[in-house]
Amino acid sequence: DAGITQSPRYKITETGRQVTLMCHQTWSHSYMFWYRQDLGHGLRLIYYSAAADITDKGEVPDGYVVSRSKTENFPLTLESATRSQTSVYFCASRLRGETQYFGPGTRLLVL
Amino acid sequence: AQSVSQHNHHVILSEAASLELGCNYSYGGTVNLFWYVQYPGQHLQLLLKYFSGDPLVKGIKGFEAEFIKSKFSFNLRKPSVQWSDTAEYFCAVNAPNTGNQFYFGTGTSLTVIP
Repeated sequence: DAGITQSPRYKITETGRQVTLMCHQTWSHSYMFWYRQDLGHGLRLIYYSAAADITDKGEVPDGYVVSRSKTENFPLTLESATRSQTSVYFCASRLRGETQYFGPGTRLLVL
Repeated sequence: AQSVSQHNHHVILSEAASLELGCNYSYGGTVNLFWYVQYPGQHLQLLLKYFSGDPLVKGIKGFEAEFIKSKFSFNLRKPSVQWSDTAEYFCAVNAPNTGNQFYFGTGTSLTVIP
């Protein structure tokens, strides 16, 4: 049971480059989420999706783009990476009204 | 928007000491409440959850939490901590009738000294 996976696990990029973080879940959960985790801020929601082709902004969406063409995938793209986007990114999924399950995280460093 | 407050940012305890981590939320309606744990270098894992019923819920690894509706609180407790409990603990709230988002506290870092 693979659950929820993220790739890459670690990424170093330069300012201005486009970066895509992948998230894949095998449970057929309808809801998927992207969070960033930073010291002093806990987890902040970037974007979420209620189903394929339905996405919505969270607390900190600026500079990010998401898509959800298939239920199991929810990629997060940084269109032009900035140093302030250095963070740990967690993907999560759940069924409506149920517990949220998290992926292992992607550590992103923007130089 | 709802908010979640965790008042203890850093807690240091000796093994066998008792633990209580505070969590307060701001929403007055029906809520689902969660505690997650994040061990060093790992992802968040569910410790316990409250949806309805008995306000005292028991989770994994000897943790429990009590939902006190009048105080908007969901404090996490463990009677005797172990070194392996060293981790970051996050409280989270979801209001199922108002949206799909989870709101997380900023986390409490627990260090248990052997």
